[in-house]
Amino acid sequence: QKEVEQDPGPLSVPEGAIVSLNCTYSNSAFQYFMWYRQYSRKGPELLMYTYSSGNKEDGRFTAQVDKSSKYISLFIRDSQPSDSATYLCAPGSGGSYIPTFGRGTSLIVHP
Amino acid sequence: GAVVSQHPSRVICKSGTSVKIECRSLDFQATTMFWYRQFPKQSLMLMATSNEGSKATYEQGVEKDKFLINHASLTLSTLTVTSAHPEDSSFYICSALMGQAVHFGNGTRLTVT
Repeated sequence: QKEVEQDPGPLSVPEGAIVSLNCTYSNSAFQYFMWYRQYSRKGPELLMYTYSSGNKEDGRFTAQVDKSSKYISLFIRDSQPSDSATYLCAPGSGGSYIPTFGRGTSLIVHP
Repeated sequence: GAVVSQHPSRVICKSGTSVKIECRSLDFQATTMFWYRQFPKQSLMLMATSNEGSKATYEQGVEKDKFLINHASLTLSTLTVTSAHPEDSSFYICSALMGQAVHFGNGTRLTVT
C-alpha cells in the first residue's frame, strides 16, 4: 500500500459545481497536511496547510482532515475553469518537513 | 507571488553533456531546499535534500555522482545533471522550506537528445 493514495481522475465537472477531492494515507505519524495545485508544466503551488483534524477554509477552498480515518479532503465551491489542474495532497510528519506526495487528481472544470 | 525561482524553465541538451539548474529563494533564506523529479502523470519523486553549507542527502536509488547538488548560499541551490542521457529527460522541480511549508519553483523541463 502506498503511503498516500489519490484517485488520478480525471474528474470532470461543470462550472459552478462543488468539487470534492479526496486522499487517504497510511502513516499515522503524519501531523500536518497540505494541498497543492499544479497546472500543466508548472511547479506545484501551495493551496492549503492544516495541522490538525477539522476544517480550514480559505475563500472557495475548504480543507478537511480526519486523522482517525486517515482521510483528507479538499472542497472547492463555485468551481471555475481556471481551477482545472492537478491537485496533490501532501501530508508530512513533524520534524522533517518533507511532505509525502500523492500522485494527484486531475480536475477539469468545463464552462 | 512566487517565493522560489527556478531557471531555466526548459533546456535541451545533447547526450553526454552536463546541465545546471538553479533554484533561488526570493526574499527569504532557505537553509533547506529539495529537488524533485516528476514523470508525466506521476507524483513528485524526491531526489535529494539540499542543506546550505553541507552535503546533500540523496534518496535511495538516486546517483549522487550523476545529480550533483550544491547549496553554497542561503538563497541558491543548484542541480547539475552530469553526462546526461535520454533517460534523464524529465521535469525537475526544486522547492524550499519557508517556515513549515514547502514552496516550489516552476520546474525545468529537461530534454536530452
